[in-house]
Formats: sequence, C-alpha cells, structure tokens
Amino acid sequence: NAGVMQNPRHLVRRRGQEARLRCSPMKGHSHVYWYRQLPEEGLKFMVYLQKENIIDESGMPKERFSAEFPKEGPSILRIQQVVRGDSAAYFCASSPYSQGPNYGYTFGSGTRLTVV
Amino acid sequence: KNEVEQSPQNLTAQEGEFITINCSYSVGISALHWLQQHPGGGIVSLFMLSSGKKKHGRLIATINIQEKHSSLHITASHPRDSAVYICAVRYNTDKLIFGTGTRLQVFP
Repeated sequence: NAGVMQNPRHLVRRRGQEARLRCSPMKGHSHVYWYRQLPEEGLKFMVYLQKENIIDESGMPKERFSAEFPKEGPSILRIQQVVRGDSAAYFCASSPYSQGPNYGYTFGSGTRLTVV
Repeated sequence: KNEVEQSPQNLTAQEGEFITINCSYSVGISALHWLQQHPGGGIVSLFMLSSGKKKHGRLIATINIQEKHSSLHITASHPRDSAVYICAVRYNTDKLIFGTGTRLQVFP
C-alpha cells in the first residue's frame, strides 16, 4: 500500500518555463491538499481538491498557478512562466475524509522546484 | 503574528535527555497535528490530537483545549530524533495552519 507519491522529487526549470508537479494520493483517499514551503519559511496552504472539484484555493497565487484533480490520474499543480520566487518545496497530502475525529493526513515526500 | 506559535525555535540536547516542544494557538480548533521533517526530506505525521494525550514509542503528545496549548515530548532522545518538528492546527476548515517549526539537534 504505497503512500502519497509525488513526482518528480526534484525539478529544475528556467525562468519562463512551465512546471508540472504530480501527486498520487494514497489508495482510498479522495481529498488532496497542496502546501508550499519557501526557503527558511514554514509551510503554507495552497489548495484543497476533491475529485474533479476545487474546494478551497484561497492560498493559491492569483496568477500563473493552477491545480486539478481529475477523475482518473494524479492531482497536478501547474505553474506557468516560473520565476525565481517560485523556488520552493511543494508538498502534497491526502486524507480519506474531510470531517470527523479520524481525519488524518498522509504527506508525500515533496517536489523541490528550483528556478534558474 | 503567526496564528500558531512554537517554542523554542531551536533546541539542542544530549543523547538521553527529555525534550519538550511547545505549541500555542489563538482560537478554538478541531484538531492539532504534530509533524516531523528531516533536512531535505518529506513530512511524517506523528500525531493528530483533539483532546487529551497520545503516546507512540518514545513520543508523547498532549493538548489542553482550555489553554489552547499542546506539547510534544521525546523521552530518552537519540541523534536520529534530530529533525524539525512542526505543529499544525485545523480550525473549521479543511486546511492546516502551520507553526514555523522547532529545529532539534540531539548530540551523542
């Protein structure tokens, strides 16, 4: 039973290119969350998705960032026209529920994006 | 001011010492999480608490809902415990709000 799988682990992009980060949740988990960790800063919420729906995108930058979680396949975080300030570790987490006392997260290993 | 405050920011200890990391938050929550992150590594969920106390091996987590405070204790610390420990809370939404972390180094 694989955990949350993120790929790639490391991604290098030149300024202006597109970055695509993938997250496959744990089997049976239908809720996916993306978090960003800027260098020397804490983790910040970006977006919460369920299958085919964006539930909360209040942490997403208004431009260049988008996320999806299609019916089939992994969740994708897409960053268009990357800039140096996008360099960070991007973590995905999944859970089986959205409410209730047993609501726990499983985190992926993260994708470390470096923009050169 | 961060909604979730952790202390200390940095902590060094000798192997075998008892360690306590504290977390305070500002308003009522539905759950609190303790997470562990090794340098350059992923994030491991250690505990999820909504009340009381939980224990797993040498780790103990407690929460006081009235005082809006949680502690993570490590008994008989070991160099492999060296990591960043992060407190995160969930209010009535589905997202986590994170503290800035406590960097722990345990020396042999």
